[in-house]
Amino acid sequence: DAKTTQPPSMDCAEGRAANLPCNHSTISGNEYVYWYRQIHSQGPQYIIHGLKNNETNEMASLIITEDRKSSTLILPHATLRDTAVYYCIVRPHGSGNTGKLIFGQGTTLQVKP
Amino acid sequence: DAGVTQSPTHLIKTRGQQVTLRCSPKSGHDTVSWYQQALGQGPQFIFQYYEEEERQRGNFPDRFSGHQFPNYSSELNVNALLLGDSALYLCASSLGGNTGTLQETQYFGPGTRLLVL
Repeated sequence: DAKTTQPPSMDCAEGRAANLPCNHSTISGNEYVYWYRQIHSQGPQYIIHGLKNNETNEMASLIITEDRKSSTLILPHATLRDTAVYYCIVRPHGSGNTGKLIFGQGTTLQVKP
Repeated sequence: DAGVTQSPTHLIKTRGQQVTLRCSPKSGHDTVSWYQQALGQGPQFIFQYYEEEERQRGNFPDRFSGHQFPNYSSELNVNALLLGDSALYLCASSLGGNTGTLQETQYFGPGTRLLVL
C-alpha cells in the first residue's frame, strides 16, 4: 500500500500557483519524498524530490514540514499543460534499497482558463 | 541525450498468447524497472533488473518474466495472456547499485499499451 495520502482532485486557475498537499505521517528517516506527474496516457514524469530541506527546480518547489510528516508541491504559475495526475511517493535511498516506487491514486489537477 | 524508449507503442493480443515488450534505458543508466498500470489506477511495480538479474519482484505471477541484456536494455515477457493483463506497461530506468549518495531517480518511458481480447 502507498504510504502517502493525497486529495483525489484539485482545481487551479491558469497563471495562479497550484499547491498540492501530501500526507506521509509514517515516513522513515531514510525515505525521500518524490513527486511525479502523469499526463493522460503518457509515462510518469519526474518533477522533484527531497529529504528534509525545501527544494526548487525549474518545474516546481517542494516544501517539507519540519517533522517531515507532510509536504506541498508548488507549481508557481500553472498552465493548461500542467493538467495531470500528480503522485507523491516516499521511498528509501541507500545501500540495499531497490527503490521501487509505490504509487497511490494521486491528485488529479485540473488547470482552468 | 536519449531518454527511455519502449517498443511497441501499442499491441493487440488474444487470450492465451504470449507477448514481449522492450525497453532501452536512459543513457548512462544500468537499472530497469517495469510497472503495470491498469486503467484508472496508479502504476504497480512488477520487477527490477540490475546486472542482468532480477533484483526485486512485486506481487505478480510467474507468467510475468523479464530479461536484461549486457547493454542494459530489457524485455518483459507475459505468457498465457488474460483479459486482465490489458494495461499500460511502463519501463523506468535509473542508476543502480549501492547508490547511497548518488541520484536514484527513476525516469519513465512512454509505455506500451497492451490490449488483450
